[in-house]
Amino acid sequence: RKEVEQDPGPFNVPEGATVAFNCTYSNSASQSFFWYRQDCRKEPKLLMSVYSSGNEDGRFTAQLNRASQYISLLIRDSKLSDSATYLCVVNIASSASKIIFGSGTRLSIRP
Amino acid sequence: GAGVSQSPSNKVTEKGKDVELRCDPISGHTALYWYRQRLGQGLEFLIYFQGNSAPDKSGLPSDRFSAERTGESVSTLTIQRTQQEDSAVYLCASSPQGNQPQHFGDGTRLSIL
Repeated sequence: RKEVEQDPGPFNVPEGATVAFNCTYSNSASQSFFWYRQDCRKEPKLLMSVYSSGNEDGRFTAQLNRASQYISLLIRDSKLSDSATYLCVVNIASSASKIIFGSGTRLSIRP
Repeated sequence: GAGVSQSPSNKVTEKGKDVELRCDPISGHTALYWYRQRLGQGLEFLIYFQGNSAPDKSGLPSDRFSAERTGESVSTLTIQRTQQEDSAVYLCASSPQGNQPQHFGDGTRLSIL
């Protein structure tokens, strides 16, 4: 089983739709969680950190479920510019080196 | 402001040659990471530096790969006797401390002929 798993997609949704992705992790000692986005042929960029109580940044909401060991990303009122690959990132235990990137979920927003 | 800088941005070389990739992290960032990303695939962790030390080299795919960091700043990733399967984008990232979000450079696109 992979340490971090994501549905690869692609998710193809119309502009304005709400879309959600999940990411599961296997190590219960995982401590920090992040969502990155990566545009085609570009470097990953931090989208948002994920806090235990859940957090929101504009149209984006991230949640953490420690009991079930998954994090989620919800995008409301999706825009064409949201088309990208979304990477789930998990920091396992207290070792800074154990930062694991998921393979990413591809999202395509159509007009 | 200055972000993570990588050079060269593109490198094309013949199989069997050695290549050296450079990463200049954000000033003051103690943690530095190297990743490899093959076309259409996810990030593959290579190595992590805390200061000038590399506590985790577990991701280096073979002994042809090595990396060093000096002055808690610049890092170089060296690939000896390159093979075609080494073709990929090599990404460097830095963060102020471990456990904090990473900032990525634009990457070096390496093509082995």
